[in-house]
Amino acid sequence: SQQGEEDPQALSIQEGENATMNCSYKTSINNLQWYRQNSGRGLVHLILIRSNEREKHSGRLRVTLDTSKKSSSLLITASRAADTASYFCLGTSGSRLTFGEGTQLTVNP
Amino acid sequence: SAVISQKPSRDICQRGTSLTIQCQVDSQVTMMFWYRQQPGQSLTLIATANQGSEATYESGFVIDKFPISRPNLTFSTLTVSNMSPEDSSIYLCSVDQQGEKLFFGSGTQLSVL
Repeated sequence: SQQGEEDPQALSIQEGENATMNCSYKTSINNLQWYRQNSGRGLVHLILIRSNEREKHSGRLRVTLDTSKKSSSLLITASRAADTASYFCLGTSGSRLTFGEGTQLTVNP
Repeated sequence: SAVISQKPSRDICQRGTSLTIQCQVDSQVTMMFWYRQQPGQSLTLIATANQGSEATYESGFVIDKFPISRPNLTFSTLTVSNMSPEDSSIYLCSVDQQGEKLFFGSGTQLSVL
């Protein structure tokens, strides 16, 4: 299994601060993706980074990938209360899709 | 992108009954995925549904408990059979785009009494 593990499991910050979440995985991947889930509803795709990429940006999001350490991080800059959600990483390898355990982010106004 | 309509959004069911969850996609897709998310947990893949063939189930999930239909390239159903309180979860369908990003339905929150 290439189940990802995220840390921290829960993160509480103040509005305006940056939030960093990490994800580790066990086997080789083609790409790694981050998703957001509000209140146990459907997940929304945030960003995808391929195995030959090291860093990617999208708006306030920055994701890094270290294939030698089999880890990725998601940074949300200048957080807002609306960023409060659960964040999951997903490693894909061919047709195998495995989600990490998730980080519950709370941004306090 | 793909838009997925999933229903019902929530249901409360009695032990021993069955519930069928439907997902309709606004475009034709080869594979559809069904996930379960138990309270406070991550998503676990139940099965992958391909049109015209039997669904492929992950370890720990069996067809008798979670029968899946995939009659065409835009529609799939998942049935949770002979339910018990342990089946109380969120069930989500999803499709992938070009083998990369996933698009999700809004989920079905199931409570079994």
